[in-house]
Amino acid sequence: GQQLNQSPQSMFIQEGEDVSMNCTSSSIFNTWLWYKQDPGEGPVLLIALYKAGELTSNGRLTAQFGITRKDSFLNISASIPSDVGIYFCAGYGGKLIFGQGTELSVKP
Amino acid sequence: DAMVIQNPRYQVTQFGKPVTLSCSQTLNHNVMYWYQQKSSQAPKLLFHYYDKDFNNEADTPDNFQSRRPNTSFCFLDIRSPGLGDAAMYLCATSSRGTLRNEQFFGPGTRLTVL
Repeated sequence: GQQLNQSPQSMFIQEGEDVSMNCTSSSIFNTWLWYKQDPGEGPVLLIALYKAGELTSNGRLTAQFGITRKDSFLNISASIPSDVGIYFCAGYGGKLIFGQGTELSVKP
Repeated sequence: DAMVIQNPRYQVTQFGKPVTLSCSQTLNHNVMYWYQQKSSQAPKLLFHYYDKDFNNEADTPDNFQSRRPNTSFCFLDIRSPGLGDAAMYLCATSSRGTLRNEQFFGPGTRLTVL
C-alpha cells in the first residue's frame, strides 16, 4: 500500500533556530497537507499544497510540493517555544496517508 | 466559527461495555471520517461517510460501527471495547467535489478502557 516516510522522527532545537522536515513516498499524490498536533488535541491544518512545485507560506512556515509529486518539505523559521508539538505530513491520492510524524522540542 | 466538535473529550468505559462517541460539524461538509490514534502513532482511518454512503476500511474490526443520522452529526459505536481499543478517536470532515482535499479535525476523544 501507499506509505510516507517522514524525517526526522524527532528534533531538539534552540529557540530562534530554523527547522526543516520532509516526507517522501514511492507513490504520487495530488495534494500534500501539513498538520501540527499538540498533546491531547486533534491535528490542526497548517498548509495545503495542490500543484507540483508549489511553494506556500503561512507566517513563519513554508512548505513545498515536490516536482515529482512524491515528496514535500516543511520549514519553520525562527522557532519559538509554542512551535513544540508533533508535525505530520499527509498525502492525498484517494484517501489521506499520514507520515509517522516529527516531534519538535524547542529549548528556550 | 465553523468547527468540528467532539463529545465527550474524555471517556472511560469498562471492558466489554458498549460506548458511543459523537462528532458534530458546522462546516456543512459532505464527508465525515473517524480515525483511531494510538500513542506516538499517526491517525489510522477506520471509516468515512460520503453523504449517507458508508465506506469501511478493510482492516477495521467489526467491533467498530458508525452512524450518520444527518449532515451535521456522526457517531462512533464500539460494541465491546477491549483494552487494545484505548486510544484517541478523531473525527474529521472534508468537502468532496471541490478539488480541495483538506481534512479538518476535531479535538478528539480520549478513550480509556478499564
